[in-house]
Amino acid sequence: AQSVSQHNHHVILSEAASLELGCNYSYGGTVNLFWYVQYPGQHLQLLLKYFSGDPLVKGIKGFEAEFIKSKFSFNLRKPSVQWSDTAEYFCAVNAGSFQKLVFGTGTRLLVSP
Amino acid sequence: ETGVTQTPRHLVMGMTNKKSLKCEQHLGHNAMYWYKQSAKKPLELMFVYNFKEQTENNSVPSRFSPECPNSSHLFLHLHTLQPEDSALYLCASSQEPGLAGEEGETQYFGPGTRLLVL
Repeated sequence: AQSVSQHNHHVILSEAASLELGCNYSYGGTVNLFWYVQYPGQHLQLLLKYFSGDPLVKGIKGFEAEFIKSKFSFNLRKPSVQWSDTAEYFCAVNAGSFQKLVFGTGTRLLVSP
Repeated sequence: ETGVTQTPRHLVMGMTNKKSLKCEQHLGHNAMYWYKQSAKKPLELMFVYNFKEQTENNSVPSRFSPECPNSSHLFLHLHTLQPEDSALYLCASSQEPGLAGEEGETQYFGPGTRLLVL
């Protein structure tokens, strides 16, 4: 069965620190990859997505993610975090069946001012 | 501002109650979804509807009964729930990929209904 692993459940950073959140998936075929963010009290919002083409994807709010097929990874990065980036981040994959999004357990990011 | 709205935002119900969750999408999409988000567990897909027809039931207990009267509205009828059903229930919508390609496979989520079963 497909699965998505997010290695860090909780991350605490100071403002201006660099961020990298790990995401690995288990599926050998063609995948579509997503990062969603859930700010406190708000709904899940799409940060970025990868379908094809350039494996380095840029999203909103300065986030980017790199698809490394050989490592089955889609890590999320931001060079300098802000207090407003405090949120929970979810990696998701659809593979095989386009409507079956498989989510990771999420990573809670706390950015201290 | 989300194109997917859900009501109510919070719901407390007893195990013998019957209640319904409502979802409405204003994005012109043709596919709608129900997900369950429990603490410390990944989001779980429950149901998928395409053009009002249910195309996926992810082994969901019959105490959850979905209804999709049109492509813009989705309901989740609840009856005789258990305390372990307490969770955040999320609705999402997407285009149908045959019509919209890549964009068709991107799901947009509502704010959720936080359900507590006593």
